[in-house]
Amino acid sequence: DAGVIQSPRHEVTEMGQEVTLRCKPISGHNSLFWYRQTMMRGLELLIYFNNNVPIDDSGMPEDRFSAKMPNASFSTLKIQPSEPRDSAVYFCASKKGVSTDTQYFGPGTRLTVL
Amino acid sequence: AQSVTQLGSHVSVSEGALVLLRCNYSSSVPPYLFWYVQYPNQGLQLLLKYTSAATLVKGINGFEAEFKKSETSFHLTKPSAHMSDAAEYFCAVSLAGTALIFGKGTTLSVSS
Repeated sequence: DAGVIQSPRHEVTEMGQEVTLRCKPISGHNSLFWYRQTMMRGLELLIYFNNNVPIDDSGMPEDRFSAKMPNASFSTLKIQPSEPRDSAVYFCASKKGVSTDTQYFGPGTRLTVL
Repeated sequence: AQSVTQLGSHVSVSEGALVLLRCNYSSSVPPYLFWYVQYPNQGLQLLLKYTSAATLVKGINGFEAEFKKSETSFHLTKPSAHMSDAAEYFCAVSLAGTALIFGKGTTLSVSS
């Protein structure tokens, strides 16, 4: 079974450009999480969905960030406009609905904003 | 509010030595606790998890952790380190299976 799939794996863009990160969760999982990893702040939750509905977006930095989950097999995280401080590794993770189930992480997208 | 503190951002051991990575948590209710490992340029992989069953949890690659409520700790151990254990290790807590709150991570170095 394929794991969590993220694309692109690497993204280099210039300040002010729009960036879209994509995630395909594991089939049958109904919770999806977006995390960001930086040297300064470590791993932090941005937003998570349950059954395609956003449950907690308190970690989304500001209005420049938005996330959608139009169906159970696809989610996007968009940054518009991007800034150098958005440079980080963005991880997507998914899990089944049972509370004790494991979150499975994708390989991450390394974003560099110049 | 929940939180996780990992003591020691960097731990160095010799091959064959005991590995001990420390994690303390704060939670107002019984938590679920996790240890993840991250190899360079890769995602996070679950090592083991505590979900209120047995307090001594065995994971992959010979790692285990013991949940101690009185000490609010969930330290990760491995009796004998291997070169391939060199990686970054993250302790995390969640409330009722929601999002994970991670510690800052501990980088484990293993020397021959």
